[in-house]
Amino acid sequence: DTAVSQTPKYLVTQMGNDKSIKCEQNLGHDTMYWYKQDSKKFLKIMFSYNNKELIINETVPNRFSPKSPDKAHLNLHINSLELGDSAVYFCASSLDRDSLHGYTFGSGTRLTVV
Amino acid sequence: QKEVEQNSGPLSVPEGAIASLNCTYSDRGSQSFFWYRQYSGKSPELIMFIYSNGDKEDGRFTAQLNKASQYVSLLIRDSQPSDSATYLCAADTGNQFYFGTGTSLTVIP
Repeated sequence: DTAVSQTPKYLVTQMGNDKSIKCEQNLGHDTMYWYKQDSKKFLKIMFSYNNKELIINETVPNRFSPKSPDKAHLNLHINSLELGDSAVYFCASSLDRDSLHGYTFGSGTRLTVV
Repeated sequence: QKEVEQNSGPLSVPEGAIASLNCTYSDRGSQSFFWYRQYSGKSPELIMFIYSNGDKEDGRFTAQLNKASQYVSLLIRDSQPSDSATYLCAADTGNQFYFGTGTSLTVIP
């Protein structure tokens, strides 16, 4: 009964490939996020969806495309992977877009591009 | 300038001591503040949030907020080796949620 689940946990792939990461939350939250955490532990927001609507779209290469089929799911597709895409990607959710009570994070997907 | 700044550490304290973690933020419109703990290889987990000036206590943890100084801190009393982790400060401006780079804490038995 994991609250925010991501798959896969580890992803090793070659440059130029296309890959997807999936995220699902069973908390009944309205808002979901994708964060990228680099090797220096800096968490940077990439995208945010509120009830399937994109509300935050940071300066991210357009090789990254999020998709939210419903408010419980937020997937991330990455085209033409590059070495610099290697990082840990966290999905998170919050009750609503005001996030007054903080986020619940998934366990992360460690992406390694070789 | 980053929106949320933290001393990256590492900070080392002996077991039983008080660990003090500090954070400053740049956006005066920030409304709420959060402390997350992240163990190595794990996801961040929320340990405290604070909205109002002053102190907020929860068990061994005390969060302190001073909006005039744009300063947030986390005190951990009676530090335990299991408290060894990276502590991330975060601020919610109402439009965006910003994380600091985290402070690495080691509690020495």
